[in-house]
Amino acid sequence: QSALTQPPSASGSPGQSVTISCTGTSSDVGGYNYVSWYQQYPGKAPKLIIFEVSTRSSGVPDRFSGSKSGNTASLTVSGLQAEDEADYYCSSFAGSNRVFGGGTKLTVL
Amino acid sequence: QVQLQESGPGLVKASETLSLTCTVSGYSISSGYFWGWIRQSPGKGLEWIGSMYHSGSTYHNPSLKSRVTISLDTSKNQVSLKLTSVTAADTAVYYCARDGGYCSTTACYLYYMDIWGKGTTVAVSS
Repeated sequence: QSALTQPPSASGSPGQSVTISCTGTSSDVGGYNYVSWYQQYPGKAPKLIIFEVSTRSSGVPDRFSGSKSGNTASLTVSGLQAEDEADYYCSSFAGSNRVFGGGTKLTVL
Repeated sequence: QVQLQESGPGLVKASETLSLTCTVSGYSISSGYFWGWIRQSPGKGLEWIGSMYHSGSTYHNPSLKSRVTISLDTSKNQVSLKLTSVTAADTAVYYCARDGGYCSTTACYLYYMDIWGKGTTVAVSS
């Protein structure tokens, strides 16, 4: 079972937009609309921000959006704010289990 | 308000069994959802361990399946994890989470993990 592929890092200046990719296969990301994204601050538990590809979890700002094309899902953060600096993980249902991406550290410059 | 709290020994000897408990408050685990475990090794990413449906169906990470047992104690509203034959590679923060999903008569689907515990750190000593 291979992890989903995410870039290890991403960055942007306040106010800019940044997109984090999450690449899998037709057995996971491409095969199901059960992709979710999690935000994690250092020393804290992950927090669900996007589920079912593009649905924002309750209380999540609309600056966060999700999408999918083929075997690649994406998380876009628009209007970057300092508080968005965190680690982001994607996850997908994979037929009889769940896989996570390796995580992307988002830095707000 | 649903809350999850992990508990268990912070230190386990190599080759022994790691046992953790997740106490759920604000929701009866027998009413629905999967209940899962995830771990994060120091400086590393998230690794799904497994999830158990309220009715008993269980899914495990294939790489850990032979060593993992997840169970539900509905009388105590707790989710348990047992990981056998631990090594230093099992040193991690262990999280429990409510796992949205659904089982039909023919298949189960895992949607997303919407509520997480704060995690508990487990170190494996030699």
